[in-house]
Amino acid sequence: KAGVTQTPRYLIKTRGQQVTLSCSPISGHRSVSWYQQTPGQGLQFLFEYFSETQRNKGNFPGRFSGRQFSNSRSEMNVSTLELGDSALYLCASSLQGSEKLFFGSGTQLSVL
Amino acid sequence: ELKVEQNPLFLSMQEGKNYTIYCNYSTTSDRLYWYRQDPGKSLESLFVLLSNGAVKQEGRLMASLDTKARLSTLHITAAVHDLSATYFCAAEAIQGAQKLVFGQGTRLTINP
Repeated sequence: KAGVTQTPRYLIKTRGQQVTLSCSPISGHRSVSWYQQTPGQGLQFLFEYFSETQRNKGNFPGRFSGRQFSNSRSEMNVSTLELGDSALYLCASSLQGSEKLFFGSGTQLSVL
Repeated sequence: ELKVEQNPLFLSMQEGKNYTIYCNYSTTSDRLYWYRQDPGKSLESLFVLLSNGAVKQEGRLMASLDTKARLSTLHITAAVHDLSATYFCAAEAIQGAQKLVFGQGTRLTINP
């Protein structure tokens, strides 16, 4: 059974650009959540999607957005990138939410 | 607002010794999670603790949950080098949701 797949693995952008990250959950999982990991702030919840609907959102500015497609794949978008957006972005999936989460390998975003 | 605190944040120990990592959380939470992260890798789920008094064991690791004290512990027995990693606890911020609040992580180094 394939795990959670995130693409791309690494990304380098410059300030002001926008970026889209992709996450394919484990087959059959309908809940996808996103987390940002930085050395200073640790792991922080971004948002959660279930059946194409955003169910919960963390305390991030509106530049951070996401969506989920009918096949449960999810994307997150960050517009007008800032240096502080440099982080490891992790996607996690579960069957319906609120059970064991399975994390992907993450996308390492560097903003120059 | 739910806050999760781990201690210690850094732990260096010798092989064969026992030690405990503590995880305190500030408000009621129905579930407590423990994850392991190796350098440059994603998060690996270790335990999900669902109720007061829950105890789970896997190999040399044992986790417990005391919801009244809002405390979870991860006990390491007869440590081996392969257990060197960063360990995170996380509590569920909203019942039934994937919105987890993570502790700062405990970087565990086991020396031969």
